[in-house]
Amino acid sequence: ELKVEQNPLFLSMQEGKNYTIYCNYSTTSDRLYWYRQDPGKSLESLFVLLSNGAVKQEGRLMASLDTKARLSTLHITAAVHDLSATYFCAVDTNFLYNNNDMRFGAGTRLTVKP
Amino acid sequence: NAGVTQTPKFRVLKTGQSMTLLCAQDMNHEYMYWYRQDPGMGLRLIHYSVGEGTTAKGEVPDGYNVSRLKKQNFLLGLESAAPSQTSVYFCASSYGGSGRPSSYEQYFGPGTRLTVT
Repeated sequence: ELKVEQNPLFLSMQEGKNYTIYCNYSTTSDRLYWYRQDPGKSLESLFVLLSNGAVKQEGRLMASLDTKARLSTLHITAAVHDLSATYFCAVDTNFLYNNNDMRFGAGTRLTVKP
Repeated sequence: NAGVTQTPKFRVLKTGQSMTLLCAQDMNHEYMYWYRQDPGMGLRLIHYSVGEGTTAKGEVPDGYNVSRLKKQNFLLGLESAAPSQTSVYFCASSYGGSGRPSSYEQYFGPGTRLTVT
């Protein structure tokens, strides 16, 4: 069964600092997703990573994928308050089972303090 | 474009009642998904569809049924609601697999907050 684990689950950081959120998954998957959710809101897609070594950057966020280690990272550079939100990673099992079952991590609640 | 819309936004049901949640998308997406989100947890996939007339079970399908009679609509039904189905329900859609990352990107609706008493 595909399991997705994120850490840390809670992250409080100061503005201007850097930090990394980790996402481990248990079985082979070639598609890794990162989402952002603000309190009481829906989810916003940040990145879709399709292959080993894929790296994507948008503003202060950079995501990478290592399919051999079954690990994705979301790196935050010089955090600002606007980045405060919950970040989820997710993987799907299409490659393995020819379906589109999705599994989400529990989320990392990020708080950026001035 | 409205994107992905969900109806209703809020609903309170009594145990044993039934209801249908409607999801509509105007992006001509092939794939559609229903998720539930419980407090402090990530989303869990209930059912999904890879095209009109097709549906499949996700991680937590028990107690729910779905239908995709039209490409733009995906309905989620609760036949006999239970308190354990109290949750926020999100619908999402995506273009479908074409090899490009953007084709897998999921667009989410605003959610339906359901309470079963």
